[in-house]
Amino acid sequence: DIQMTQSPSSLSASVGDRVTITCQASQDITNYLNWYQQKPGKAPKLLIYDASNLEAGVPSRFSGSRSGTDFSFTISSLQPEDIATYYCQQYDNFPLTFGGGTKVEIK
Amino acid sequence: QVHLVQSGAEVKKPGASVKVSCKASGYSFTGYHMHWVRQAPGQGLEWMGRINPNSGGTSYAQRFQGRVTMTRNTSISTAYMELSSLRSDDTAVYYCASGPVEVSTDYWGQGTLVTVSS
Repeated sequence: DIQMTQSPSSLSASVGDRVTITCQASQDITNYLNWYQQKPGKAPKLLIYDASNLEAGVPSRFSGSRSGTDFSFTISSLQPEDIATYYCQQYDNFPLTFGGGTKVEIK
Repeated sequence: QVHLVQSGAEVKKPGASVKVSCKASGYSFTGYHMHWVRQAPGQGLEWMGRINPNSGGTSYAQRFQGRVTMTRNTSISTAYMELSSLRSDDTAVYYCASGPVEVSTDYWGQGTLVTVSS
């Protein structure tokens, strides 16, 4: 199975801050990576697919990038409504696997 | 607009089985694979398996092999996930998810809480 190592597990930042989350795949997954946002009591919401493509309707302050087997997710200017847990997920191979999640809080 | 609506919360005793349904609308049901993902309280997301609603073909995560069965009823655009021999650590929210490609989990149901307790 492909392991997805996500960090940090939690972070606290101020409104307006730039926030970056990373995810490392245990093997090459090309660009087959999603980023999800999950708010308490809700289902995950797809934000970015194919490592860097923004899902329709998602604010442009969210972005993703890839360097080899390392992936980054960035919120350029943190907003109060961005408080959530974020997950990466690889879909290069079954079983689909997720990172452990990053809980984002406001300082 | 894709919409996945799941059945309501369940409480089961250890050793019992649970069957969760997921009714799809807004797209051709047989065109998208349906996946099942679970999330234990305060934990991360875990993929359980998927079904091809067109053929009925399934593939399951190794750790659920022998305990999970995914089926579908194309006449009512509904997928099902049945988990047997329930244990307390099966307490979780179970989600269905689908999308236009075999590996897609673009669209998610609202989740079904399954509580296993004696």
